[in-house]
Amino acid sequence: SQTIHQWPATLVQPVGSPLSLECTVEGTSNPNLYWYRQAAGRGLQLLFYSVGIGQISSEVPQNLSASRPQDRQFILSSKKLLLSDSGFYLCAWSSDRAVSPIYFGEGSWLTVV
Amino acid sequence: SQQGEEDPQALSIQEGENATMNCSYKTSINNLQWYRQNSGRGLVHLILIRSNEREKHSGRLRVTLDTSKKSSSLLITASRAADTASYFCATDRTGGGNKLTFGTGTQLKVEL
Repeated sequence: SQTIHQWPATLVQPVGSPLSLECTVEGTSNPNLYWYRQAAGRGLQLLFYSVGIGQISSEVPQNLSASRPQDRQFILSSKKLLLSDSGFYLCAWSSDRAVSPIYFGEGSWLTVV
Repeated sequence: SQQGEEDPQALSIQEGENATMNCSYKTSINNLQWYRQNSGRGLVHLILIRSNEREKHSGRLRVTLDTSKKSSSLLITASRAADTASYFCATDRTGGGNKLTFGTGTQLKVEL
């Protein structure tokens, strides 16, 4: 069966510090990969979307970047965090079929102080 | 911007009652999906309904889709305290490439 791992689960970072959140998927190949952010009490905002290694689509302009160095690895990064980057970050995957559910990791709570 | 908007924002019912949540969206879609989120956790997929389907069932869940009204509803029958969670609809726009757009969710509380 397929599983998705996301880490770290929580982190507190000072303004201006770098960020790296990692996500790996097991049990499938060539998945679509996603990074979403959820502000408190809000819906999910799609940040990045990837259909393959090195293929990243940025959905909103922001202080963040994403990379996909391997087929089942997705990394969310920032060189300098802003207070507004605080939130709940969710990695997810779906099959590469045209119609597919999306399966989420457990999320990473980021607090920028 | 949010494609889907759930209604109501919050719902409190007694165990055993039915819970109905509604979702409206703006553009044409390939499919609509419902997800559940327990507090502080990732989202869990519940049910997917394609644009050419009108109703779908899964256990105690019933989803309807009216593409002419651009709306969907999720019915949870015989609710349990364990159903307490936030419920989100998500739409895959026509030509969207399986990039789901989520609504703001309905917070359901089922009391004993």
